[in-house]
Amino acid sequence: DIQMTQSPSTLSASLEDRVTITCRASQSISSSLAWYQQKPGEAPKLLIYKASSLDGGVPSRFSGSGSGTEFTLTISGLQPDDFATYYCQQYNTYPLTFGGGTKVEIK
Amino acid sequence: QVQLVESGGGVVQPGGSLRLSCAASGFTFSTYDMNWVRQAPGKGLEWVAVIRFDGGSKYYGDSVKDRFTISRDNSKNTLFLQMNSLRTEDTAVYYCAKAGYCSGGKCAHYYDYWGQGNLVTVSS
Repeated sequence: DIQMTQSPSTLSASLEDRVTITCRASQSISSSLAWYQQKPGEAPKLLIYKASSLDGGVPSRFSGSGSGTEFTLTISGLQPDDFATYYCQQYNTYPLTFGGGTKVEIK
Repeated sequence: QVQLVESGGGVVQPGGSLRLSCAASGFTFSTYDMNWVRQAPGKGLEWVAVIRFDGGSKYYGDSVKDRFTISRDNSKNTLFLQMNSLRTEDTAVYYCAKAGYCSGGKCAHYYDYWGQGNLVTVSS
């Protein structure tokens, strides 16, 4: 199985900060990586697919990069609505696997 | 607009069975692979199972293999998850999720739409 390792697990940041979350795959997944945002009590929301493609309606302050085994999610200018937990997911190989999550908290 | 509405969750004793349903609307259900993803209380996301758009192939996570069965009824735009031999560690919110992009009979399994989630509690 492909293991997805996210770091950090928790991140404290202030409004307007630039935030970067890293996701590492235990083997190459090409660009088959998605990022989701989840708020308490809600279903996850797709932000990015194919490592760097922004889903429709997602603010442009979110961006993704990487390929192979190392990926990043960047939020350029943290907004109040961005405090949430973020997950990466590989969809290159079954079983599909998620990272452990990164909780973005208010500093 | 796309909607996925789950039902069938609840409380069940260890060893028991439960069947979840997910009613889909707003897209051509029969052309998309569908998935179940779960989330234990306070934990991360875990992929459970996927079924091809035509029901022709199915894959399962190791933790549910041989106990859970995914199926679909394309005439009723509905996805199912039959859960047998339930364990306390199966306690979770279960989401149905639509594959994000499908073309030529192949889908990319990121999820652009999710159901609202359905809580399954396995407890004596």
